Amino acid sequence: AQSVTQLGSHVSVSEGALVLLRCNYSSSVPPYLFWYVQYPNQGLQLLLKYTSAATLVKGINGFEAEFKKSETSFHLTKPSAHMSDAAEYFCAVSEAGSYQLTFGKGTKLSVIP
Amino acid sequence: DTEVTQTPKHLVMGMTNKKSLKCEQHMGHRAMYWYKQKAKKPPELMFVYSYEKLSINESVPSRFSPECPNSSLLNLHLHALQPEDSALYLCASSQEASPSGETQYFGPGTRLLVL
Repeated sequence: AQSVTQLGSHVSVSEGALVLLRCNYSSSVPPYLFWYVQYPNQGLQLLLKYTSAATLVKGINGFEAEFKKSETSFHLTKPSAHMSDAAEYFCAVSEAGSYQLTFGKGTKLSVIP
Repeated sequence: DTEVTQTPKHLVMGMTNKKSLKCEQHMGHRAMYWYKQKAKKPPELMFVYSYEKLSINESVPSRFSPECPNSSLLNLHLHALQPEDSALYLCASSQEASPSGETQYFGPGTRLLVL
């Protein structure tokens, strides 16, 4: 069975500081991994997706994530936070052969001016 | 264009009402999904349609009735809902109908309040 753990339900960073949102997964087979962002009162927007083509995945809005199989991690980073990055971020995992997209509990990112 | 649209944006209904949520995509995607998201929680899968046929029903109560009239449209019919059904209802679609880690594209959601 697949599962996702997001460490930290709430992360605060200063504007211009590094953003690091943590995600660890559990999967019995090589997974597909996703990061989605949800702005207040909106749907989910895909930030990036890992599909085994490359361990470092670049996404939209300057975000990237690195797949580390040895650590079963897929942490999301951005070198310099903007105020507009304040949102809820969800890590999700899907296994080949499954429609199920299993989400983590989400991390709310606050950016302090 | 990776847009999924949903109507209405907001809906308030009584427990005896019948209403419908609508979802539309014009990306040629063959799989469509309904999710329910409670406040401060991740989305929970309700239904999956693959090639306009219901593939997955995650033990959703019968007061929720999905319908897929064609490959671009997905409806969710609501009847005799309970206050605890109040949530954000999200529609999503993916290009392929096979379960192989396809990227799901989400709509903006319908915020439902049941009084």
